[in-house]
Amino acid sequence: QLQLQESGPGLVKPSETLSLTCTDSGGSISSSSYYWGWIRQPPGKGLEWIGSRFYSGSTYYNPSLKSRVTISVDTSKNQFSLKLSSVTAADTAVYFCARHLVVQGVTYNWFDPWGQGTLVTVSS
Amino acid sequence: EIVLTQSPATLSLSPGERATLSCRASQSVSSYLGWYQQKPGQAPRLLIYDASNRATGIPARFSGSGSGTDFTLTISSLEPEDVAVYYCQQRSKWPLTFGGGTKVEIK
Repeated sequence: QLQLQESGPGLVKPSETLSLTCTDSGGSISSSSYYWGWIRQPPGKGLEWIGSRFYSGSTYYNPSLKSRVTISVDTSKNQFSLKLSSVTAADTAVYFCARHLVVQGVTYNWFDPWGQGTLVTVSS
Repeated sequence: EIVLTQSPATLSLSPGERATLSCRASQSVSSYLGWYQQKPGQAPRLLIYDASNRATGIPARFSGSGSGTDFTLTISSLEPEDVAVYYCQQRSKWPLTFGGGTKVEIK
């Protein structure tokens, strides 16, 4: 059963790079047929899609973050990662990883399931 | 980008009542709208995709309808465990966007 888990530093200094990884204990990230995404939620606020990576290697990023975001997949480690550079306090949020929904072999741009999320605070 | 506006911001109802949540898109998204439920301290969970399809394991009291720019999530008979914030999301165009959420409370 797919269980996603985010990991990474909970505190990042302003102007530095936020780095998170998402691991699936069931090993599905090593499969080349899935799409993976990152979504974030500032404390007490709504959800913001950060970006997604398709198995083909194509990536789609939110234009508001595109210049600072990189999403990559390492199938050998069964994980995918998020890097967000030049962070500010506005990047303080809970960061979720998620898989794109698959129904009868077709992948859609919905997110299911999600990891539990990890809080990243940007502060000096 | 497509802006999704949800209403009301908060909905307070008694157990057993019908809950009706609205999501309006700034331009047509066809039927490419979904709904998520987020309980306090938890990750969101997909309830409905492509306007009216229930995700795996979602109870039948949750239903979705609409097309174009106006969509509705209905909880036919509110249960105490339905206390949560509900978000809509569109997949019609990049970037994927979410609505601001509707908080459902129990009176």
